[in-house]
Amino acid sequence: GDSVTQMEGPVTLSEEAFLTINCTYTATGYPSLFWYVQYPGEGLQLLLKATKADDKGSNKGFEATYRKETTSFHLEKGSVQVSDSAVYFCALRGSTLGRLYFGRGTQLTVWP
Amino acid sequence: EAGVVQSPRYKIIEKKQPVAFWCNPISGHNTLYWYLQNLGQGPELLIRYENEEAVDDSQLPKDRFSAERLKGVDSTLKIQPAELGDSAVYLCASSLGTGGAKTGELFFGEGSRLTVL
Repeated sequence: GDSVTQMEGPVTLSEEAFLTINCTYTATGYPSLFWYVQYPGEGLQLLLKATKADDKGSNKGFEATYRKETTSFHLEKGSVQVSDSAVYFCALRGSTLGRLYFGRGTQLTVWP
Repeated sequence: EAGVVQSPRYKIIEKKQPVAFWCNPISGHNTLYWYLQNLGQGPELLIRYENEEAVDDSQLPKDRFSAERLKGVDSTLKIQPAELGDSAVYLCASSLGTGGAKTGELFFGEGSRLTVL
């Protein structure tokens, strides 16, 4: 079945450090891929998405490229800020009724 | 514009008691979702509504869980009787039409945290 595997956290970085959060997926067909973010005390919100192979999603300085050959969608940011501290969820939209399947989330803490 | 509103934010009950959660989606969003999030895990879909119709409820444990969405707006998720393993966060989300489901852009509430003692 469709699933997402996300690197375990927590991830702790200093401000301005480079961020990578790994995400790989298993799916039939051609899924769409997403990163959601949950800031403290808030609901999950869509950060970025990619709907086909080689697409790059980007938002707020974050990027992720849909790699079909490696079934990956790693999240990257060149210089993190304290305000980026949150839980990040990788997700895919599968072929079963268009369901979203989420990874377990990665807690990111950025120190000044 | 108001986001997805859920209540209560926190609920503590004893096992075998009933509990209900309420969700008010974003105005105009006709698709509504209930997700279950266990500690340290990602959200898992329980049920999806298109207007009043439950179009995807195969993951809802129907022996103790029920949901309704009268008039295609607000929704209620009920557990009766609650078990210890039901302790989790119950998330409600909404999206604009079926397009939201296709694009994956769901808008989530802050969740209702249930503790069953």
